[in-house]
Amino acid sequence: GQNIDQPTEMTATEGAIVQINCTYQTSGFNGLFWYQQHAGEAPTFLSYNVLDGLEEKGRFSSFLSRSKGYSYLLLKELQMKDSASYLCAAPNQAGTALIFGKGTTLSVSS
Amino acid sequence: DAGITQSPRHKVTETGTPVTLRCHQTENHRYMYWYRQDPGHGLRLIHYSYGVKDTDKGEVSDGYSVSRSKTEDFLLTLESATSSQTSVYFCAISEGGTDANYGYTFGSGTRLTVV
Repeated sequence: GQNIDQPTEMTATEGAIVQINCTYQTSGFNGLFWYQQHAGEAPTFLSYNVLDGLEEKGRFSSFLSRSKGYSYLLLKELQMKDSASYLCAAPNQAGTALIFGKGTTLSVSS
Repeated sequence: DAGITQSPRHKVTETGTPVTLRCHQTENHRYMYWYRQDPGHGLRLIHYSYGVKDTDKGEVSDGYSVSRSKTEDFLLTLESATSSQTSVYFCAISEGGTDANYGYTFGSGTRLTVV
């Protein structure tokens, strides 16, 4: 089976740091993806981890621990435009398509 | 991105009618996917394609069929629309499927309302 869990909602203030967690259970594993989706828009690719550790891309970083089935997305120096849903995704058992978590809606306030 | 377009963007249809949504790509990517997105459920996979005439079912395929007769087009058909199929439908394309370094590119979505 496959299950991906992430918190439903989070709030933070401008300039702060926020960490969005994702736990997953898959029988096979070939990487973990993070996508950003603004309200009314399509998801856009943020990051991909296949090895343990931290991948940094500007203000956004993503961490993976395969042994713990755990990932997080770290957003630094938050801006109002970071208000969006953040989707965690992993390949299905056959490795043919991505299965998505339900998404975490982040609200950034001034 | 301009490389993937969905049509129509919005549609209202009556229960019991057939509906076809179209996904068109200009990237020549092998993999194409249809997802639906609903509050409280997130993105759920309906069907996907890994080449012309090669398709397979996803986790919520009941009531849906697909066809891919050309690399660039992936059609999703609701044979007899029901109110439970009211949703936002996203098409996605990928050069390498779920392989490393390849992400999905999503279309802008189709908002379908079944009344």
